[in-house]
Formats: sequence, C-alpha cells, structure tokens
Amino acid sequence: AQSVAQPEDQVNVAEGNPLTVKCTYSVSGNPYLFWYVQYPNRGLQFLLKYITGDNLVKGSYGFEAEFNKSQTSFHLKKPSALVSDSALYFCAVRDLISSGSARQLTFGSGTQLTVLP
Amino acid sequence: NAGVTQTPKFQVLKTGQSMTLQCAQDMNHNSMYWYRQDPGMGLRLIYYSASEGTTDKGEVPNGYNVSRLNKREFSLRLESAAPSQTSVYFCASSPYANQNTGELFFGEGSRLTVL
Repeated sequence: AQSVAQPEDQVNVAEGNPLTVKCTYSVSGNPYLFWYVQYPNRGLQFLLKYITGDNLVKGSYGFEAEFNKSQTSFHLKKPSALVSDSALYFCAVRDLISSGSARQLTFGSGTQLTVLP
Repeated sequence: NAGVTQTPKFQVLKTGQSMTLQCAQDMNHNSMYWYRQDPGMGLRLIYYSASEGTTDKGEVPNGYNVSRLNKREFSLRLESAAPSQTSVYFCASSPYANQNTGELFFGEGSRLTVL
C-alpha cells in the first residue's frame, strides 16, 4: 500500500525567506510524486511532479522539490517566499506497481503555509 | 475556457434526503474522479472513471453512486445522506487513465452539509 505523510500542519515563514514544506512517502516500488496547491475556496492546482530523472524538479510559480530516495522524501522548496504563496499544500504519491483503485493518487493531509509580510 | 465545472457549489440536506452532484469538463479528458476533502485528512477518492463507460470504486465508496453519462459528465449521487457525508466534494479530470502523469484538473468544489 502507498502512503504519504506531511508532518507539519502549519508552516509560517517571513516574506523573502526561503520556505520548505515537508513530505515523506511509502510505496512498494518506485514512486510518482506530486505537489498540489489549494487557494481558499478553490480546487487544487498542480505544481510539479517527479517521475524519473533529476532529483531536483522545478515547477510553477518558482517552486521546486527535491526527491531523496534514501530518505523517502519529496520536500517542496522556494528560495524567496511571497505573501501570495500562502495556501494549503498537498503532497501526493502513486505507486507504479499498484493496481485497481490503489493505482490512483494518494494525497497527504495538507500543510497550511502562511507567509508573513 | 471553463475547465471542470461542478454544481451546486453549496447544498444543505437533511439526513435521509438524496441529491446528485454534477460535474462536467470541456477538455476532452478521458478520466474523471470524485474526491471528498475533510479537515486533516487530505483528499480521499470516492469513485473514478478511467474512460467513458467505466466506473470503479475508490477508497471511500460506501453511501455513494456514480454515473459517467458521457465523456464530459460524471455525476455523484447520495441516495440517503448521512451527517458523516458532510464534506467538500471535488471533481477532477485527467487526459490519461490511471493518473499516469498525476496531473489532475480540479473543479472549485461543492460544499455539502447534512443535518
């Protein structure tokens, strides 16, 4: 079975500082990993994904994520946070060898990011 | 370009009432999904349709039924609503079956309260 954990419910960071939102995963085989963002009263929006290749993945709005297989982590990062980055962030995983409904994405519980002016 | 459209956006039901949540996408996507979002639990998959004419259960299908009416439309029905079904429901679509690329396109959500 696949699972994903976001250990922090809330992350606060000052505008202009670097930000990190943490995610760890558990799968039977090789993972597909994703980050989504949800602004208030909106649906989720895709940010970036790791399928294979370079461990550092670049996505929308200046975000990037680092895949670390030994630590089973896929942390979301941004060098300089903006107030407009304040939102709910979800990590998701798909196990390549799963089948049936387990083949679908499994989402983490979400991390609320607040960027303080 | 509308993307994924859900109706209604808000609904209040009494226990035992029935209702249908409607979802339509105009991106010619093959796969469609229904999720529910509850505080501290992320998104959980209720049902999905990998392609027109097929539907499959997700993680939390009990108390729900779905219909893939055509390629564009995927509806979610609550036959006898229960307070435990109070949630925000999201419809999503994807160009590919089995979410291979993982890139889902979400609607804005339907907030359902069951009293």
